[in-house]
Amino acid sequence: DTAVSQTPKYLVTQMGNDKSIKCEQNLGHDTMYWYKQDSKKFLKIMFSYNNKELIINETVPNRFSPKSPDKAHLNLHINSLELGDSAVYFCASSQDEDRPYNEQFFGPGTRLTVL
Amino acid sequence: EDQVTQSPEALRLQEGESSSLNCSYTVSGLRGLFWYRQDPGKGPEFLFTLYSAGEEKEKERLKATLTKKESFLHITAPKPEDSATYLCAVEYTGGFKTIFGAGTRLFVKA
Repeated sequence: DTAVSQTPKYLVTQMGNDKSIKCEQNLGHDTMYWYKQDSKKFLKIMFSYNNKELIINETVPNRFSPKSPDKAHLNLHINSLELGDSAVYFCASSQDEDRPYNEQFFGPGTRLTVL
Repeated sequence: EDQVTQSPEALRLQEGESSSLNCSYTVSGLRGLFWYRQDPGKGPEFLFTLYSAGEEKEKERLKATLTKKESFLHITAPKPEDSATYLCAVEYTGGFKTIFGAGTRLFVKA
């Protein structure tokens, strides 16, 4: 039974297109995250979302917009895709953002390739 | 500048050859340090959380330790199935709260 799932696993698209990646967690966690892992394997946090409060990383372009229809879902919508957006995007969740600084559970990743 | 640095970038070991991975950090207000394992094509998998200097945690052949400036992941008598990238992450009170290191790619040869 998958804890954190993402769809699609692979996404190939043209520059300028708009695309979405979906994430669902069945762990009952309060907080969800989106990360970007670039070609050098650095994991960088993009957003965290806790109980309807969205915390945005200021370095993330506003072409990226997270949307959370409910506590179990955090989707990522990307407008006007650029070549530099090519990366693996990971969704993650944790029990509570503040206490006791719990570990995060990661999804399998979505490999986005922009041509 | 808040940052997390892992060394070495890559480590090649023979089966049974013990070694250590390093994670050094410079952040203000450490709340927790995490170790994750990442296999190719998969998401990171949680291993340990350390909260304060002097703390140690063990799991099978892995042992994580924490000081005020760094953490070590000790691997005792590794096996080929321990081959993976090991990621260190720090959660802290300043900035955007969570920073990952670049990871150490571990290769264990039978």
